[in-house]
Parts: sequence; C-alpha cells; structure tokens
Amino acid sequence: AQTVTQSQPEMSVQEAETVTLSCTYDTSENNYYLFWYKQPPSRQMILVIRQEAYKQQNATENRFSVNFQKAAKSFSLKISDSQLGDTAMYFCAFKLYNNNDMRFGAGTRLTVKP
Amino acid sequence: EPEVTQTPSHQVTQMGQEVILRCVPISNHLYFYWYRQILGQKVEFLVSFYNNEISEKSEIFDDQFSVERPDGSNFTLKIRSTKLEDSAMYFCASRGQGADTEAFFGQGTRLTVV
Repeated sequence: AQTVTQSQPEMSVQEAETVTLSCTYDTSENNYYLFWYKQPPSRQMILVIRQEAYKQQNATENRFSVNFQKAAKSFSLKISDSQLGDTAMYFCAFKLYNNNDMRFGAGTRLTVKP
Repeated sequence: EPEVTQTPSHQVTQMGQEVILRCVPISNHLYFYWYRQILGQKVEFLVSFYNNEISEKSEIFDDQFSVERPDGSNFTLKIRSTKLEDSAMYFCASRGQGADTEAFFGQGTRLTVV
C-alpha cells in the first residue's frame, strides 16, 4: 500500500521569505504522480503543483517549486517570496499511474506572518 | 472556468438517519471521487467511480456507504445510518481522461451528526 507522510504539522514563515514543506512517500511502484494541494480557509482543495515520477526535472510553477528525489522518495515544496495569501493547509498527494485513487498526507498548516 | 459543485454546504442530521451528499462533477470528466476530512485531520480517500461502477474503495467505505450517478450529471454519496464519527467534511472530486490529469475538488459538504 502507498503511504504519504508529512512530518511537519505546522510551519510559519515571514512574508517575502522562503519556506520548504516536506513530504515523503512509500511505494514499490515506478510510475506515479505526486501533487501538492493547497486548502485555504475556504476549504476548497486547489492544485498547486504536479510532478510526474518519470521526469527528472523538478516541476516549477511561479513561486512554487519542488525538490523531487525519487531514490529517497521525497517530494518537498518550496514557496519563494511567501505571501499572506499562501496561508493554508498544504497536502502532499500520491497517485499511481494505473490506479484511480489518490492518497494524501496528513497536511502541513502554513501561516505566513506579516 | 468549470468547477465541481457540492450541495448542501452544511448538513446536520440525527444519528441513525440516512443522508445523501450531492456533487455535480465537471461535465466532460470521467473519474469521480469522494474524500473525507475529519476536522483538522488528514484527507482520506473513500471511493473512486468510473464507467458507472466503483473502481476503488478504502476500508472506510463499508456497507453503510454507497455511491450513485443517477442521471449522468450528479454523483451522490449516501450514508445509510449515520454515526457520530461520520461527522466530517466530505469532498467530491472529478478528473478527465488520462492518468496524469489533475483532480478538481468541490468546496465540500460539512456533515454534522448529532
């Protein structure tokens, strides 16, 4: 079974600073996808960034980038130039290529301080 | 922009009663999901649905739960006899064709069992 672990229940960062959220996962499969979802106080889950396991290049999306270490089964999210609107729960998620379900980590609550 | 919509936003029910949570996925999507998030805790996979049948389900999705796509547009989650521990946010999600497509989430239904 696939598991996703987020070891940081809560983090905080000063506005304009950089923060990194950790995620590790466990799988014996080779083809999968990894995601970071943001859940603001409005509660709707929003996709932040996605990484295909077969790609060596780390995904980037504006201020958001990942450090994907396949051998270590690590998938961290870096948020640069943090903004107050980045305050939210962040969930790491894993999906096998040939499977429909997506498994989430327990989440990291990020607070951006002015 | 197309979105997943869920109704109601908040449902209060007596323990032992049946509830139906409703979702309208994005119209051309093919895969549908229900997730549960107990307050402050991780997002848990319940079930995925494809081609008018359940494709995967978790251990949480026992005989008390059922899903249906009654009319080609709605996707419902029924809980037959609610328990106090069913109180949670329930999220519906859908995604399109292709293993790498992202899942779009609804805003959730907060279910409170009293």
